[in-house]
Amino acid sequence: DVQLVESGGDSVLPGGSLKLSCGGSGFIFSDYWMSWVRQAPGKGLEWVAIMKEDGGEIEYVDSVKGRFSISRDNAQNSLYLQMNSLRVEDTAVYYCARGSRGSKYNIFDYWGQGTLVTVSS
Amino acid sequence: DFVMTQSPDSLAVSLGERATINCKSSQSVLYSSNEKDYLAWYQQKPGQPPKLLIYWASTRESGVPDRFTGSGSGTDFTLTISSLQAEDVAVYYCQQYYSIPLTFGGGTKVEI
Repeated sequence: DVQLVESGGDSVLPGGSLKLSCGGSGFIFSDYWMSWVRQAPGKGLEWVAIMKEDGGEIEYVDSVKGRFSISRDNAQNSLYLQMNSLRVEDTAVYYCARGSRGSKYNIFDYWGQGTLVTVSS
Repeated sequence: DFVMTQSPDSLAVSLGERATINCKSSQSVLYSSNEKDYLAWYQQKPGQPPKLLIYWASTRESGVPDRFTGSGSGTDFTLTISSLQAEDVAVYYCQQYYSIPLTFGGGTKVEI
């Protein structure tokens, strides 16, 4: 079975940093684009970042550009999100989501359970 | 950016009745070269991650009951639940995957 498991969520002060991890299993991790999607408490879904299978293409939503960095280690079947200069409005559950295979046109067919990031003074 | 607008924000439907959710894109998500609409629907139950229901506007994901139907093209789309079951209580989101940034609608909460 396909599984995605996030970790690394925590409570941090504004301006702080955090690194999220996502481990994938049950599929060939290196065959898929992977994304981070977040959901603020009681709010809707917001796509955050995406990375191509080989890491060759990366995109971010404007609100995190220059502050967040997505990366992956296909040998470890892992996806990461380095978050710097965190703001109160970054408070959310962060989901790791499996994207498409061989295409930049991504739907998300598997999601992790999410990890909560709280930014508050 | 493609802005996805869903309506209504919430609706209450009796068991066995039809639920209809609308999604409007600010720009067409129809790719002319393959005549496909780059529009997906997700279901999110309380405390759970989203679940993919439909992609290409009308293709059901494997295992999704056939009471869920996606329709529409271009900028206007509909998700219909033909006969609402208790387990369908959830928030439903549309998503365009035609262009980066990938964007979701604001969600529609379906209640009994």
